[in-house]
Amino acid sequence: NAGVTQTPKFQVLKTGQSMTLQCAQDMNHEYMSWYRQDPGMGLRLIHYSVGAGITDQGEVPNGYNVSRSTTEDFPLRLLSAAPSQTSVYFCASMTGGLGETQYFGPGTRLLVL
Amino acid sequence: AQKVTQAQTEISVVEKEDVTLDCVYETRDTTYYLFWYKQPPSGELVFLIRRNSFDEQNEISGRYSWNFQKSTSSFNFTITASQVVDSAVYFCALRGPGTASKLTFGTGTRLQVTL
Repeated sequence: NAGVTQTPKFQVLKTGQSMTLQCAQDMNHEYMSWYRQDPGMGLRLIHYSVGAGITDQGEVPNGYNVSRSTTEDFPLRLLSAAPSQTSVYFCASMTGGLGETQYFGPGTRLLVL
Repeated sequence: AQKVTQAQTEISVVEKEDVTLDCVYETRDTTYYLFWYKQPPSGELVFLIRRNSFDEQNEISGRYSWNFQKSTSSFNFTITASQVVDSAVYFCALRGPGTASKLTFGTGTRLQVTL
């Protein structure tokens, strides 16, 4: 199993540009989520999905959009990038059981100029 | 609301010293789950341990041990005989009982182990 994969590893955007961060998992996990990591703030939840076709907002959803058309993929879209979205983005997945462990992808480092 | 506090922003030790990373949490749930993750300089997040709220047994895994105390809402992590490879940022996290419960992270403790 490849686990949780994310592409790209690093991206530079200009303010106002849009882009999609890709996330895929091959473990047949129902639950997937996106976090952003900023210095001194730990990881904060952006959006999550409990299964294909179901998504919901996390703690910091503004400026981001998600969809879950398949179990495997959970892309994160930045609609109009802003410098405040400069961060490291992590995708995670887990089975749908209670208290299960989330496993994280390698992260995408995004710089918005 | 859930909250995780890691008051130690940065700790520096010399190799072979023991070090304890503190984690204090707040939750109104009676069932919850606690986690520790390691983030080495390469940046990935590595799962270390999960503990259920109804299981207060301490756990030891090699040089790592975890002390869970519900009475003080703490879930501390001790590294015995630290090594340079232990240098990383360590995150404590809390998750509620529901299947859609989010994982709430502390702000992390950066551990620097030097020779």
